[in-house]
Amino acid sequence: DAKTTQPPSMDCAEGRAANLPCNHSTISGNEYVYWYRQIHSQGPQYIIHGLKNNETNEMASLIITEDRKSSTLILPHATLRDTAVYYCIVRAYSGAGSYQLTFGKGTKLSVIP
Amino acid sequence: NAGVTQTPKFRVLKTGQSMTLLCAQDMNHEYMYWYRQDPGMGLRLIHYSVGEGTTAKGEVPDGYNVSRLKKQNFLLGLESAAPSQTSVYFCASSYSVASGQNEQFFGPGTRLTVL
Repeated sequence: DAKTTQPPSMDCAEGRAANLPCNHSTISGNEYVYWYRQIHSQGPQYIIHGLKNNETNEMASLIITEDRKSSTLILPHATLRDTAVYYCIVRAYSGAGSYQLTFGKGTKLSVIP
Repeated sequence: NAGVTQTPKFRVLKTGQSMTLLCAQDMNHEYMYWYRQDPGMGLRLIHYSVGEGTTAKGEVPDGYNVSRLKKQNFLLGLESAAPSQTSVYFCASSYSVASGQNEQFFGPGTRLTVL
């Protein structure tokens, strides 16, 4: 799976949009971008994923650049409950090695009242 | 739906003791996984299962055994606990592993301390 780079931490004011960047410059054509988050002491939670088109669901939007070398997760109206570590993961199905989600250090998002 | 549940939530063992962690999912998922997370680190895959009756080793399988006798349950066993196995254990399940379809759903975790 391609390596990802994320800022270690970010702050966001409550009610504002939180934009979390991820760099994945070595991504290959069949690799998807996944986002998970982990709220303190809880299990990771799936947020969204995409291949090359922008995606939106009830939790967030995912914007992938045209060259697919980077992406941005957008939480449109951040609340205090969105304070968590956010992980950007790039992966593809490639046999036995594809079962593991490789979590890096992620971005710790702090939503400030 | 309860999703993925784990039993117990907390446990303290002495070195050499054994225990079994239970994971259950009610989403009819084929794939199940056991991860461990050490402080300040990401998750590492211990074992996984691609269906009832099948299991396979992940990144860090030593010291653990698993069984998947029923589709909805995935058990993780520690035969002789060691302090190095102090960690938070997460179970997860997914419908598929195909690209774009393998979002994993996680349980709340089991916090294990081995003295």
